[in-house]
Amino acid sequence: AQKVTQAQTEISVVEKEDVTLDCVYETRDTTYYLFWYKQPPSGELVFLIRRNSFDEQNEISGRYSWNFQKSTSSFNFTITASQVVDSAVYFCALSEATSGTYKYIFGTGTRLKVLA
Amino acid sequence: DAGITQSPRHKVTETGTPVTLRCHQTENHRYMYWYRQDPGHGLRLIHYSYGVKDTDKGEVSDGYSVSRSKTEDFLLTLESATSSQTSVYFCAIKGGREYTDTQYFGPGTRLTVL
Repeated sequence: AQKVTQAQTEISVVEKEDVTLDCVYETRDTTYYLFWYKQPPSGELVFLIRRNSFDEQNEISGRYSWNFQKSTSSFNFTITASQVVDSAVYFCALSEATSGTYKYIFGTGTRLKVLA
Repeated sequence: DAGITQSPRHKVTETGTPVTLRCHQTENHRYMYWYRQDPGHGLRLIHYSYGVKDTDKGEVSDGYSVSRSKTEDFLLTLESATSSQTSVYFCAIKGGREYTDTQYFGPGTRLTVL
């Protein structure tokens, strides 16, 4: 069965600190996709990144970076030099590609508070 | 912007009344989903659809039904609302301009059942 665990319920950092949000997943499929979404205080869900199971390259987008490690079933998200605007709830999600049903499983989210 | 709208955006209703939430998309996506979001639970799948008149249950489908008579509309109905169904409901589609395997979400509907 697929499962996504975000063990960090809430993290508080001071502006300009680096912060890493952890995501651990479980799946029996060899082909799957991993995602990160951001939910700011306004409530919408914003897609940040997608990664397929065959692509273990880390990705960097500005202050955001993602570390995908199949050996530890983790897809961690790092924000460098955090800013107040990064305050949000962040969700990690998993989709198995071979099941044919296109269901997505979400973690319970990590609330990030960036203090000025 | 994946062209997804939800209506109503906010609703307050009383226990025992029927409620229908509407999700509308403008880009002809085949897959549509309904989730509820509750503190401590993240997003949980209620029902999803893989085509007109083709729907299936998610992990928290009890007390909910869905219908999809047109590609663009996916309706979620609470036949007899209960206080435990107070939640924020999100609709999603699979696929977008950039990635066909990614979900994109509507703005959400906040439902309060008194």
